[in-house]
Amino acid sequence: NAGVTQTPKFQVLKTGQSMTLQCAQDMNHEYMSWYRQDPGMGLRLIHYSVGAGITDQGEVPNGYNVSRSTTEDFPLRLLSAAPSQTSVYFCASTLGAQNTEAFFGQGTRLTVV
Amino acid sequence: GENVEQHPSTLSVQEGDSAVIKCTYSDSASNYFPWYKQELGKRPQLIIDIRSNVGEKKDQRIAVTLNKTAKHFSLHITETQPEDSAVYFCASRNFNKFYFGSGTKLNVKP
Repeated sequence: NAGVTQTPKFQVLKTGQSMTLQCAQDMNHEYMSWYRQDPGMGLRLIHYSVGAGITDQGEVPNGYNVSRSTTEDFPLRLLSAAPSQTSVYFCASTLGAQNTEAFFGQGTRLTVV
Repeated sequence: GENVEQHPSTLSVQEGDSAVIKCTYSDSASNYFPWYKQELGKRPQLIIDIRSNVGEKKDQRIAVTLNKTAKHFSLHITETQPEDSAVYFCASRNFNKFYFGSGTKLNVKP
């Protein structure tokens, strides 16, 4: 049981490039979400999904796209990378009920130069 | 939307002392309050949580209290050890979303 798996762990992009951060979970969780973590600002929600085919915006969605074609996968796309998107990105999954914890992936450290 | 505030941002204690971290939230619909510990370069991991129908929960040296009327909850760590040094995040769950505090860096001095 791998839990939540993110790839890659590290990435350097040039301004304007696009890329996809991968996230997969093997716990059959309904809810999946993406966060970015910046110093002194905690974790901020980018996008989330309550099931296959259903996605919605979080607090900081601009510049990012998501899709959820399967229960297991929830990729995050950066359309045109900007230096302001330099951050650590975490994917998380939750069983679905309201009062259950979020399980996090190991994170992706992204630098945009 | 929900707003979670966390204090202090840094906390330094002597080994064996207690540490208290406090959080407030704004939306009375929030009903689940987890606490996460994040070691340097690692993912956040749940250490304790509390549901809105409970006022206090304890797990060995860690306890959490919730005051729904005042909309605040606190993490208490007793008999701190150097391995407790990390960043701690509080969070509230409001329907499908988690909202996180800005984190507290706890330093336990040997």
